[in-house]
Amino acid sequence: DTGVSQDPRHKITKRGQNVTFRCDPISEHNRLYWYRQTLGQGPEFLTYFQNEAQLEKSRLLSDRFSAERPKGSFSTLEIQRTEQGDSAMYLCASSLGTFRGPRYQETQYFGPGTRLLVL
Amino acid sequence: QQQVKQSPQSLIVQKGGISIINCAYENTAFDYFPWYQQFPGKGPALLIAIRPDVSEKKEGRFTISFNKSAKQFSLHIMDSQPGDSATYFCAASSVSGTYKYIFGTGTRLKVLA
Repeated sequence: DTGVSQDPRHKITKRGQNVTFRCDPISEHNRLYWYRQTLGQGPEFLTYFQNEAQLEKSRLLSDRFSAERPKGSFSTLEIQRTEQGDSAMYLCASSLGTFRGPRYQETQYFGPGTRLLVL
Repeated sequence: QQQVKQSPQSLIVQKGGISIINCAYENTAFDYFPWYQQFPGKGPALLIAIRPDVSEKKEGRFTISFNKSAKQFSLHIMDSQPGDSATYFCAASSVSGTYKYIFGTGTRLKVLA
């Protein structure tokens, strides 16, 4: 399967614990995004990488959250001192920008997500 | 200005009918509008996408209609099937920014057999 993969698919943790999620993007994709999705809502942007550089972080990404993409391939998202409000689906997406004629086009492909439940 | 407003929140359609979901945006810098389909417990999957230089795009049973002046776009699902029952999200992004997607709040579609 050459799609975006995420691990683990589910995580249950107690409040105050640290958790780390992994995302493996489609191999040739240079951009990698993290989104958070709560029940009944659309995904919300958290952060994104171009190759190994983290270029933007949402205000949703508090100082308890950190993301890395050390070699421009897989990425990790760590949440420290988890809170019940962190319970959500964490989605990873990857993309490769291409030009169609003069126009730049980019489509993001999403992984299956990691569902986090903080007790 | 970064919001994408989506309606309706839920939709029930008979098998064979047409499902219509609408989205509206404010930011005129948006220039790429994808639609995603999401089944419970799964990640969103791209259905179809459009750029503002065309007013309509069709792929199989799925059509996007785009009204640039009104800053609105909609997804039409023709001959809706029970297998189309899922949550649908519109999104918008700008190639002049980070390309991050701004998603609508979703429409839960149920197609009755």
